[in-house]
Amino acid sequence: DAGVIQSPRHEVTEMGQEVTLRCKPISGHNSLFWYRQTMMRGLELLIYFNNNVPIDDSGMPEDRFSAKMPNASFSTLKIQPSEPRDSAVYFCASSSRTGISYNEQFFGPGTRLTVL
Amino acid sequence: AQSVTQLGSHVSVSEGALVLLRCNYSSSVPPYLFWYVQYPNQGLQLLLKYTTGATLVKGINGFEAEFKKSETSFHLTKPSAHMSDAAEYFCAVSDGGYQKVTFGTGTKLQVIP
Repeated sequence: DAGVIQSPRHEVTEMGQEVTLRCKPISGHNSLFWYRQTMMRGLELLIYFNNNVPIDDSGMPEDRFSAKMPNASFSTLKIQPSEPRDSAVYFCASSSRTGISYNEQFFGPGTRLTVL
Repeated sequence: AQSVTQLGSHVSVSEGALVLLRCNYSSSVPPYLFWYVQYPNQGLQLLLKYTTGATLVKGINGFEAEFKKSETSFHLTKPSAHMSDAAEYFCAVSDGGYQKVTFGTGTKLQVIP
């Protein structure tokens, strides 16, 4: 399996621009998580989906952030408009409750976002 | 609600010395417990996990952790530190619902030659 795939790996944009981060979870996994990691705030859970349905978006910072999961193999995290304080590494992770996985999350390599 | 407390945001050990990273958890149900490792500029990867059964869990790279229910702890140890162990380590707990995992704030391990 290719693991969790995220694109782009690096994104540099200017304040006010729209940013879209993409994630392809591991095939067969039914839960997907978006995290943000910064030096100041550490690892934060933004939103997670179960069977393509958003379960908890209480970690989404504000209305500028939105996430979708149109099908089991694809999710996006969008920031519009972006601000310099959104600069961070964004991770996508997926997991499956089947078998003996016991909620182990598999992380993608992350997208490093820089907003100028 | 579940939570994780990692004592010490930075830990330094000499190469060859014992590694001990502390983790205490809070959970209203029998927990699933995890340790993840993050190397620079990489995502998190699973080091080991406790689900049920044997309380001493062995993971990759010579690490192990012991689940102690009475102490609500899940400390990570390695008998002899190697330079390649320098990384950030995250303890995490899950109560099983929707596979949500709550992560600790992380401990950066420095290995001194």
